[in-house]
This record gives sequence, structure tokens and C-alpha cells, in this order.
Amino acid sequence: DIQMTQSPSTLSASVGDRVTITCRASQSISSWLAWYQQKPGKAPKLLIYKASSLESGVPSRFSGSGSGTEFTLTISSLQPDDFATYYCQQYNSYLWTFGQGTKVEIK
Amino acid sequence: EVQLVQSGAEVKKPGESLKISCKGSGYSFTSYWIGWVRQMPGKGLEWMGIIYPGDSDTRYSPSFQGQVTISADKSISTAYLQWSSLKASDTAMYYCVRNAGGNSPIDYWGQGTLVTVSS
Repeated sequence: DIQMTQSPSTLSASVGDRVTITCRASQSISSWLAWYQQKPGKAPKLLIYKASSLESGVPSRFSGSGSGTEFTLTISSLQPDDFATYYCQQYNSYLWTFGQGTKVEIK
Repeated sequence: EVQLVQSGAEVKKPGESLKISCKGSGYSFTSYWIGWVRQMPGKGLEWMGIIYPGDSDTRYSPSFQGQVTISADKSISTAYLQWSSLKASDTAMYYCVRNAGGNSPIDYWGQGTLVTVSS
């Protein structure tokens, strides 16, 4: 199985901060990586697919980059609605795997 | 509008069987994969397996192979996740998800079904 490792596990930030979350794959997954946002009690929501493509309707302050084994999700200016948990997911093969999640908390 | 509507919360005892459902609407049910994702209390997301309702092609995560059964009834646009003998460790939220197949992400999620297994 391809292992996905996210860092940090928790991130404390203020409104307006630039935030970066990293996801590393145990082997190359090309650009087959997605990022999801999950708020408490809700299902996750797709933000970014194919490493850097913004899902329709997602604010442009979210961006993704990377390929191979190293990927990042960046929020350019953190908004109150962005405090949530973020997961990366590889879909290089049908054996999907998720990162363990990064919780973005209010500082 | 694409929707995945899951069955309601369940409370079961260890050893009991269970089948939960996920009804797709607003798209061609037989043209997309339906997957299942587990989220244990306070934990992350785990992919369990997927099914292509068009031909019932089913694939499981090695972690869940033999532990659950995924099926679909394309005549009523519904996918299922079932257990023959529940354990306390099956207590979790279960999400069904839609996927276009090949190298594509999960684009829609159901609202989740909470399964509680307790004696």
C-alpha cells in the first residue's frame, strides 16, 4: 500500500495567516492527489484534485502544488470558515489511501 | 443535482449482522463507482472498497477484505455495505462516495451513517 504522511497534525493560526500543509507519499503517485476539507459532524468536501486543480466553487485562496511524492496545500489568507481538518488522498491506484489529517485551529 | 443519501444511524450488539445503504440520484448510477470510507470516532478516513454498479466489479482494501461485503442493486440505484458479525471495533461513521473511475478523486460524499456496536 502507498502510505500518505501529513504534517503537521495540528496547526494553530490566526485569520489572515498564510497556511501550508504538507503531504508525502511513500512512493511516486505522479499528480494523483486530492485534498479534502472536513468540518465537525460533516462529510469531507473536495478542494483540490490532480495535485493543483481547484474544484469548482472552491475559493481561490486555496491552492495545491507538487508531484511525485511531495505535495502541499496552501491557504493564502486564512478565513474563519477555514478552521477545519484537511486530508490528502492518493488515487494513483484503486487502493486509495488518506493522510492522517491536519487540524487547523484558531490561535 | 447529484445526491448520495445514506440510511439512518444503527445501534447493534456484537455478533449481529447489518446492511447499510446508499442511494444515488441525479446522475447515471451505473456509470460511476461507489466507494465506502470509514471514520472511527475522533480518527481519520479509511478507504474500505469500491463497486462499479454497471457490472458489479468490486475491489476491497486489504484491511477490509473478508470483513465486509459491498454490493449494489442498479435497478434501485442503491449500494450496500454489510457485516455478518459486528464487533465493537466496527463502531464508526461510514460514508459512501462517488468516483468516476480511473485516476479521479472522490467528487461526492453521502451524509454518513453512524454505526454503534455495543453490548
